[in-house]
Amino acid sequence: ETGVTQSPTHLIKTRGQQVTLRCSSQSGHNTVSWYQQALGQGPQFIFQYYREEENGRGNFPPRFSGLQFPNYSSELNVNALELDDSALYLCASSLSLAGVPGELFFGEGSRLTVL
Amino acid sequence: AQTVTQSQPEMSVQEAETVTLSCTYDTSENNYYLFWYKQPPSRQMILVIRQEAYKQQNATENRFSVNFQKAAKSFSLKISDSQLGDTAMYFCAFMKGWNSGNTPLVFGKGTRLSVIA
Repeated sequence: ETGVTQSPTHLIKTRGQQVTLRCSSQSGHNTVSWYQQALGQGPQFIFQYYREEENGRGNFPPRFSGLQFPNYSSELNVNALELDDSALYLCASSLSLAGVPGELFFGEGSRLTVL
Repeated sequence: AQTVTQSQPEMSVQEAETVTLSCTYDTSENNYYLFWYKQPPSRQMILVIRQEAYKQQNATENRFSVNFQKAAKSFSLKISDSQLGDTAMYFCAFMKGWNSGNTPLVFGKGTRLSVIA
């Protein structure tokens, strides 16, 4: 059983650029959620996808968007990057059954630096 | 909205000793879950222990146990026989009951624990 993998592990962008982060869910999981962890802070919920549909969103602007694919892998896209977007982005997958979420398994994150 | 507060930014403990990390939370929900996650330098969040609010018995996982005080909204983590591998950031997290629709984790700011040889 493979775990949650994220790519890239590190990347540097400049203000105004766009970035795509990728996540491969743990085998058999149908739900993926994304969290932003700023330096010295706890993770904050961005959004969640269940069976390719967004089914929950935190307090993040529309320039944060995502996709979940039929194989349950996922992307997080951020447009018009700002300096405050510099953070560790964590992906977590879980198996939801009959609408009940299961335990979250996290990847090692993608560290984004915006200059 | 739910909030989670960890009042100890950093703690240290001698190897083989016991340490307790504090966490308080605020919610109007009656059905919820509480978690402690460990984040080592590898950055991957690892679930340490989970507590269902409807259970009065405190959860225990080997050297890790919690003291869950529902009325006081307190959820502390006790690590016994501390090991060097326990060195990490520890996050307390809250999740509304699973019959409440979308239920993301709400994290505290974390406590950095250092185990000293």
